[in-house]
Amino acid sequence: DQQVKQNSPSLSVQEGRISILNCDYTNSMFDYFLWYKKYPAEGPTFLISISSIKDKNEDGRFTVFLNKSAKHLSLHIVPSQPGDSAVYFCAASAVTGNQFYFGTGTSLTVIP
Amino acid sequence: NAGVMQNPRHLVRRRGQEARLRCSPMKGHSHVYWYRQLPEEGLKFMVYLQKENIIDESGMPKERFSAEFPKEGPSILRIQQVVRGDSAAYFCASSPGLGEEQYFGPGTRLTVT
Repeated sequence: DQQVKQNSPSLSVQEGRISILNCDYTNSMFDYFLWYKKYPAEGPTFLISISSIKDKNEDGRFTVFLNKSAKHLSLHIVPSQPGDSAVYFCAASAVTGNQFYFGTGTSLTVIP
Repeated sequence: NAGVMQNPRHLVRRRGQEARLRCSPMKGHSHVYWYRQLPEEGLKFMVYLQKENIIDESGMPKERFSAEFPKEGPSILRIQQVVRGDSAAYFCASSPGLGEEQYFGPGTRLTVT
């Protein structure tokens, strides 16, 4: 039962343009969401988070948007850089829960 | 401040052998989580531990898998009588508190031959 879904396994974007990575969830109890970035042969690295009391959180080139009614969140990277090429995982948890639920990841390639 | 450490990075075991994976959390972190990533899949939660206690093992297979986080030393994920289907990357994460950002180690890639 995949409670967090990333329906696009891969995405290619030209350097300097915007990258938009999408994530959907099914559990309405989720109230904390994170994005992780993963390079090959390394562990995931925390990127940015958002709690359900907000609909937007920004950190430099990275912005996460949350649409609670649609159970959808997205990560925007502007401008995209070749070093952003990695697999991006979204994750969600409920305040009453012990674990994060991860999506299957989206592989982003930024073309120079 | 060292990050989450995992060893070994690569582990090869024959079917039927035991695999022991170690995880040292970040300094000051008392919450440890183990995840498994099978090929072409996302990270699947296995178990959540605090010092000397298993808090949530709902993601652990019922047989052959066990985990501990002793008062002293690293957290250990133990897989007995490994089978080919256990081949995966096993990631450990730690956090300073429940529900806070988890910081991941580099993972242990287990290959069962």
